Amino acid sequence: DAGVIQSPRHEVTEMGQEVTLRCKLISGHNSLFWYRQTMMRGLELLIYFNNNVPIDDSGMPEDRFSAKMPNASFSTLKIQPSEPRDSAVYFCASRIQGAREKLFFGSGTQLSVL
Amino acid sequence: GESVGLHLPTLSVQEGDNSIINCAYSNSASDYFIWYKQESGKGPQFIIDIRSNMDKRQGQRVTVLLNKTVKHLSLQIAATQPGDSAVYFCAENRGETSGSRLTFGEGTQLTVNP
Repeated sequence: DAGVIQSPRHEVTEMGQEVTLRCKLISGHNSLFWYRQTMMRGLELLIYFNNNVPIDDSGMPEDRFSAKMPNASFSTLKIQPSEPRDSAVYFCASRIQGAREKLFFGSGTQLSVL
Repeated sequence: GESVGLHLPTLSVQEGDNSIINCAYSNSASDYFIWYKQESGKGPQFIIDIRSNMDKRQGQRVTVLLNKTVKHLSLQIAATQPGDSAVYFCAENRGETSGSRLTFGEGTQLTVNP
């Protein structure tokens, strides 16, 4: 199993540009979580999905952030327009829904907004 | 050596010593706890978990202790090795709803000196 796959690994962009982060779940998993990690705030849950349906998006900072699951194995997190304060490492994680199963994390996307 | 996660985010030990990493949680309704290890440039990796109906669980070289009375969790690593150097996070499961979310602590940086 390849694990959770995120792309790109690194993204450098200018303020105001659109950024799209991508995530492929582990086969058979049906819950998907997006986290953001910064030195100041640690790991913050942005949003999570069960069976492609968003369950809790209360952690999404503002309307500039949006996340989708176009199919059961893939998700995108979009920031438009991006701002310097969005600079962080963004992780997605997947697991089997329902039981309190462990999350499997991807390697993250390091985002730098200049 | 010992650490208190919220007040001492770093812990330095000698190779071969035992390490104890502590974590305080706030929600008395949390019923599932996980320890994750995050190495530089990687996503968090599952180490061990424990449910609230237990007070101790052992894995390979690791032991998690749960004290619900004082809402305290600890991770003990036996015979610490250089490869154990990483940031360690405790996470708590809050809520019983389906697809319940994990909330992460701030993390403790463990450094193992050869």
